[in-house]
Amino acid sequence: ETGVTQSPTHLIKTRGQQVTLRCSSQSGHNTVSWYQQALGQGPQFIFQYYREEENGRGNFPPRFSGLQFPNYSSELNVNALELDDSALYLCASSLRTGEETQYFGPGTRLLVL
Amino acid sequence: AQSVTQLGSHVSVSEGALVLLRCNYSSSVPPYLFWYVQYPNQGLQLLLKYTSAATLVKGINGFEAEFKKSETSFHLTKPSAHMSDAAEYFCAVRRPDSSASKIIFGSGTRLSIRP
Repeated sequence: ETGVTQSPTHLIKTRGQQVTLRCSSQSGHNTVSWYQQALGQGPQFIFQYYREEENGRGNFPPRFSGLQFPNYSSELNVNALELDDSALYLCASSLRTGEETQYFGPGTRLLVL
Repeated sequence: AQSVTQLGSHVSVSEGALVLLRCNYSSSVPPYLFWYVQYPNQGLQLLLKYTSAATLVKGINGFEAEFKKSETSFHLTKPSAHMSDAAEYFCAVRRPDSSASKIIFGSGTRLSIRP
């Protein structure tokens, strides 16, 4: 059984650019959630996808968007990057929306210059 | 609304000493509570969780936590620290009736172990 994987591991972008981060969920998991972890902070919930539909969103602007594919992998897209978007982006998968145990990937560290 | 406060952004203990990481929560309903660990360059790993069963919860790697409603606390302890315990620890809370992803994390406590 493979765990949650994310790509790329590190990324450098400039302000105003767009970025796409990718996540492969743990085998059999149909729910994927994305979190932003700024330096020195705990993760903050961005949104969740269940069976290819957004199923809950945190306090993030619309320029943060996502997709989930039929194989339950997921993308996080961020448009018009701002300096404050620099953070570790974590993906977590779980078996169903009510499952209280999520399995986290290692994250993608994004630096916006 | 739910929130957690972790007291002490950095805790340092000697190898073999007691580990105590403090967490206080605020919740409008009886909460679910969690402790996660994050090793350098890795994602979060669930250490233990409280979901309204036994108030003393045992987790992995010898850690345990006790839910104290009267003190609104969920402190994490380990009797004897090991060098491999050095990591960032996050306390988290969520409503039992909410999705697993709508979890509120504290700001974390970095645990250092002195030889």
